Formats: sequence, structure tokens, C-alpha cells
Amino acid sequence: DGGITQSPKYLFRKEGQNVTLSCEQNLNHDAMYWYRQDPGQGLRLIYYSQIVNDFQKGDIAEGYSVSREKKESFPLTVTSAQKNPTAFYLCASSIEGIPTGYTFGSGTRLTVV
Amino acid sequence: AQSVSQHNHHVILSEAASLELGCNYSYGGTVNLFWYVQYPGQHLQLLLKYFSGDPLVKGIKGFEAEFIKSKFSFNLRKPSVQWSDTAEYFCAVSTGFQKLVFGTGTRLLVSP
Repeated sequence: DGGITQSPKYLFRKEGQNVTLSCEQNLNHDAMYWYRQDPGQGLRLIYYSQIVNDFQKGDIAEGYSVSREKKESFPLTVTSAQKNPTAFYLCASSIEGIPTGYTFGSGTRLTVV
Repeated sequence: AQSVSQHNHHVILSEAASLELGCNYSYGGTVNLFWYVQYPGQHLQLLLKYFSGDPLVKGIKGFEAEFIKSKFSFNLRKPSVQWSDTAEYFCAVSTGFQKLVFGTGTRLLVSP
């Protein structure tokens, strides 16, 4: 079945460490997105990518970095510069140019200890 | 910049009650509108969407939403809720390219 796989489901990180969250899709979607979900704040866009080797900052990109070397993969690195990294992170993908909405992954819950 | 407002943060209903969740957006041009649902422990799923045509849109599980352009609104409705509708509901808007802007969500609790 086609879908989006995020791993790991739960992740613990020590303060000052970088950590990379994985997102893989086999839907042949062009566009991929990373959102952060916090209680009472909805989903806020971190980064998005419309095509391979290209990506743009979203509304809350500070302290995060991404790469898009393959169409299927869009990993997110949470760096030590992110002041409040504990959150639920959601990856999504969509077909470019057609407003079909997103397909979401099941998310990664990151906790900084 | 676009923004989406969901004024009801928490809603508590009894089974069989009717549901209406408000969603207002700020953008003067053509918009695509979505409602997503997140059941406890599950990923976000698309409930329904509006691009053009009939402003009354029917989605899955008996949900519907009405686009009222003059009010910049896209309220979600269900005539009779069930306990299984307990979830968090998100309204979202996109213009042109699909970058979605989400509202802050409404947590619905349906008591049996």
C-alpha cells in the first residue's frame, strides 16, 4: 500500500544534540512538507519542498534543516539551535499542482531530556 | 498572509446531538478549503474538501461543510454525532500552490 512512513515514532534527545527525523513516501508525490503540532497551536509549517533538490522555509524554520536528495525522502534535522524542540512532528506529501490535500504520516514525538 | 481561525477550542456533546464547528479564513482570492480529523492515536485524515462548484460539500462519516464566500467561512456540520467522532478537527486553507495553512484545531468530546 502507498503511504508515508515516519520513523521513529518516539524519540528522546539530550539538550545540545542534533537529531534527524525520517520521512519516506511511496506515493510518487512531488511535494513534501514538515509540520510541527503543539497543543492549542494547530499545525505550523517548518519546511516544504516542491521538487527534488529544492526546498523553502515555512513559518517556523529557525533551528531546523532539511534535504531533498530523492523524491521519496525528506528528512528533518532538529538542531541544537531550536529552543523548544519537544513537539509532535508530522510529515506530509501531495501531488504538485492539484489541490487534493495532503497525505500525512503517523508522526514522530520528540522529547528533549 | 493567510490565516485560519477556529473559535471553538473544546466542544463537548452528547451522542445524537448536532455538531457545528466554525472555521473562518482571511484571504480575498480563490481558496481551497479542507477539514482534517485526527482520532486519538491516529494520523490526520482528510474529512472533506472544497475547490469549486456546489458550496455544500459532503465528506466521509456523515460530515458536511458549507462554504460561504461572503462570510469567509467553511463550517463543519454533522446532524447526529457518535462517540466515535471524538477527535481533534482541523480546518485548513490553501491558495494556488498547495501549502496548507491550518487552524489551531477543535477538540471534540462526545459522551455516550
